[in-house]
This record gives sequence, C-alpha cells and structure tokens, in this order.
Amino acid sequence: AQTIHQWPVAEIKAVGSPLSLGCTIKGKSSPNLYWYWQATGGTLQQLFYSITVGQVESVVQLNLSASRPKDDQFILSTEKLLLSHSGFYLCAWSLHSSYEQYFGPGTRLTVL
Amino acid sequence: QEKVQQSPESLIVPEGAMSSLNCTFSNSASQSIWWYQQHPGKGPEALISIFSNGNKKEGRLTVYLNRASLHVSLHIRDSQPSDSAVYLCAVSMRGNMGYKLTFGTGTSLLVDP
Repeated sequence: AQTIHQWPVAEIKAVGSPLSLGCTIKGKSSPNLYWYWQATGGTLQQLFYSITVGQVESVVQLNLSASRPKDDQFILSTEKLLLSHSGFYLCAWSLHSSYEQYFGPGTRLTVL
Repeated sequence: QEKVQQSPESLIVPEGAMSSLNCTFSNSASQSIWWYQQHPGKGPEALISIFSNGNKKEGRLTVYLNRASLHVSLHIRDSQPSDSAVYLCAVSMRGNMGYKLTFGTGTSLLVDP
C-alpha cells in the first residue's frame, strides 16, 4: 500500500526566517508529485509539480521553491518567510498527471 | 487560467435528504472534473470523477456534467452526518508538464442528524 508522509505536522516561524517542508511517498515508484497551498478559508492552489527526479515546474509564484532530490521525496522551501506564507501546505501524488491525486495529511504553517 | 466557481458556499440538509452541489468552470477544453471531500485539518480525498457529458453514479453519489453550459453537479442521496465536510470541485487541464488541477472555493455541507 502507498503511504504519503509530510513533515513537520505544524510549524510556527518568524517573518524572514527560512523554511523547509518535506514529503515522502512510499510504495510507488516514479509518481507525479505536487505541492499545494491553502490559506485559512481559501482555495486550494497548486504551487509546483514534478513528473521525475530533478524536474519541477512552478505553477504559482509565491516566493517559494521546490525540489525533487529523490524519486520518493519532494521538498518545499524558502530563504525568507513572509506573513502571507501562513496556511496549510499539502503534498499529493498521482500515477499519471490526469489520474486521481492522493493527498498527504498536510503541514500547518503559522508565520508571525 | 481556468476559473472554477462553486455554489452554494454552505448547505445544511437534514439526515436522509438529498444534497446537491454545483460547480461551473470556464474552459470547455478541460479534461476530467473531480469532486473531493475535505474534513477540517485534513487533506482532500477524491470521491468521483467524470469526463464525458451525462451522468455517472457511484453508490450514493451521482455527478452530472454538461460541457455546453460548463456546469457539473454532485448529488448525495440519503445524506448522513458523516458526509458533513467541505466538497471541492476540481477541473483538470493539460499544461506544459502534464495535467493541472484547478480547485473551486468549496461548498461546506452540514448534515443535521
């Protein structure tokens, strides 16, 4: 069975500090991977997606970057957090980009 | 840029009733339309998808798609308190590196026991 794990579960960070969020998928090789962001009460927005190691496409510019260092790992990061980065970050995977996406449990980020 | 609008914003139905949720999208070239369920503080889970005009039924769920009017609806028969959640409509469009999902703002469903 496939499992998707996100870390950390929650973070409270200061404006201007760096951030790194992680996502790991086990039990599925070469998945398509996605990062989403959801402001409190807001719409789920796709930020990045990757179809293979080393290739990441940016969908929305939010002063964030993403990398896929391994087949089963997707990292979201920034060097300087803004207040507007607060929200719920979700990682997802799919077998093919047109197929159902499976979401992880999410990371709640609060920037103060 | 695909636009996805959902209505109503919130819906309260008594247990056992039919829940009807609506979604309109902006691009007739869109591919599949997905409905996801999201409980507070959790990631969304896919419920049902549709590609062709017409309807599709799975258990208590029925989805209707009309591409000409850019409209899709989800109907939940015999609604249960456990169905209380936010329902997200998502439209799949082909992008540079595969398909991109654009989500609507959601409908918050409360089933009153």
